[in-house]
Amino acid sequence: EVQLVQSGAEVKKPGESLKISCKGSGYSFTSYWIGWVRQMPGKGLEWMGIIYPGDSDTRYSPSFQGQVTISADKSISTAYLQWSSLKASDTAMYYCVRYRYYDILTGNAFDIWGQGTMVTVSS
Amino acid sequence: EIVLTQSPGTLSLSPGERATLSCRASQSVSSSYLAWYQQKPGQAPRLLIYGASSRATGIPDRFSGSGSGTDFTLTISRLEPEDFAVYYCQQYGSSPPAFTFGPGTKVDIK
Repeated sequence: EVQLVQSGAEVKKPGESLKISCKGSGYSFTSYWIGWVRQMPGKGLEWMGIIYPGDSDTRYSPSFQGQVTISADKSISTAYLQWSSLKASDTAMYYCVRYRYYDILTGNAFDIWGQGTMVTVSS
Repeated sequence: EIVLTQSPGTLSLSPGERATLSCRASQSVSSSYLAWYQQKPGQAPRLLIYGASSRATGIPDRFSGSGSGTDFTLTISRLEPEDFAVYYCQQYGSSPPAFTFGPGTKVDIK
């Protein structure tokens, strides 16, 4: 079964650092881009960035560039999202997603979603 | 930057009725790069439609997508109880690479 399994919920204080993980299984982890999507409480979905684990090529949404770091360790089929200094406004659910390219006619989509990691930042 | 607008914000319908959800882009979008997702409360979103009209694996045929250019539609032919959820459209732009979601349409029980 193709799946992405994320690390558990986190409760942190403002200013603390954090790294959450997303482990892929059931497919060739190095052959698909992995993205991260934020969902703030009661709000919609926002794309944060994406990484190709095969060579660690990474792209960020301008809204998140410099705010987070996306990385991957292909030896353990795991992608990461990290913050160096959390803010209360980082409180949200974070989903990792597999980006799949189908073909030139049917394009692409996020076909597999992790279960989400809830991050709560509060003093 | 392409902005996606979804309407209506909330759609109140009864089981068995037809649901028509709209997604409008601020500029023309390649049909290949328009997808729809369903999110139920407390769950991760799941892919329904990619390439504007192709159903993802395991998605019932009561879900269909259509459209081109700036106007796209997700249709649920006959609502089942499990279809009451929030639906998001999403587009991909390649220069620079970016993925944009619409604000969502909530389909709730009338």
